Amino acid sequence: TQLLEQSPQFLSIQEGENLTVYCNSSSVFSSLQWYRQEPGEGPVLLVTVVTGGEVKKLKRLTFQFGDARKDSSLHITAAQPGDTGLYLCAGAGAGNNRKLIWGLGTSLAVNP
Amino acid sequence: EAGVVQSPRYKIIEKKQPVAFWCNPISGHNTLYWYRQNLGQGPELLIRYENEEAVDDSQLPKDRFSAERLKGVDSTLKIQPAELGDSAVYLCASSLDGGTGGGYTFGSGTRLTVV
Repeated sequence: TQLLEQSPQFLSIQEGENLTVYCNSSSVFSSLQWYRQEPGEGPVLLVTVVTGGEVKKLKRLTFQFGDARKDSSLHITAAQPGDTGLYLCAGAGAGNNRKLIWGLGTSLAVNP
Repeated sequence: EAGVVQSPRYKIIEKKQPVAFWCNPISGHNTLYWYRQNLGQGPELLIRYENEEAVDDSQLPKDRFSAERLKGVDSTLKIQPAELGDSAVYLCASSLDGGTGGGYTFGSGTRLTVV
């Protein structure tokens, strides 16, 4: 059974601090997606990483896919209160397996 | 583009009553998903449709849950009878390529409270 472990589960920081969220698995994924979810809304796709070692930047957010495509990280620089939310990673199986494996999420609170 | 539309947004029912949720996916998205999400946790897949065919319903509690996607567009998810443990947010999502590349587009969800 494929599993995705996210850490930390909860994170409360002050505005301006940096943080990193991790997503780890013993399985290889063909791609990995990061979502952000605000209260009362569905998750919104932030990025998809496909190539081992790939780094993608989205303003203050930096996403990295591990060389072996088993893990990923999300780094936020100078966090702002608007970054508050639940961050979810989801990995796609290889081949014709279209099922996404979801992590349990990291709940981030950025305090002004 | 309207996005994935779900209704109702909120539903409060007594246990043992039936409840139904409706989803209209993005036009042209042939894959549709129903997820259940508990507070502060990741979504849990209930059922996945490719057009009108349910291709993965292994996590759907079939004794009380049912779903349909007539004509491969809109979908409904039904619970009958509801139990206290069914309280959660029910999310519908759709995708164009199975979600592995372009990701899923989620609706805002239906928050169900069973009392």
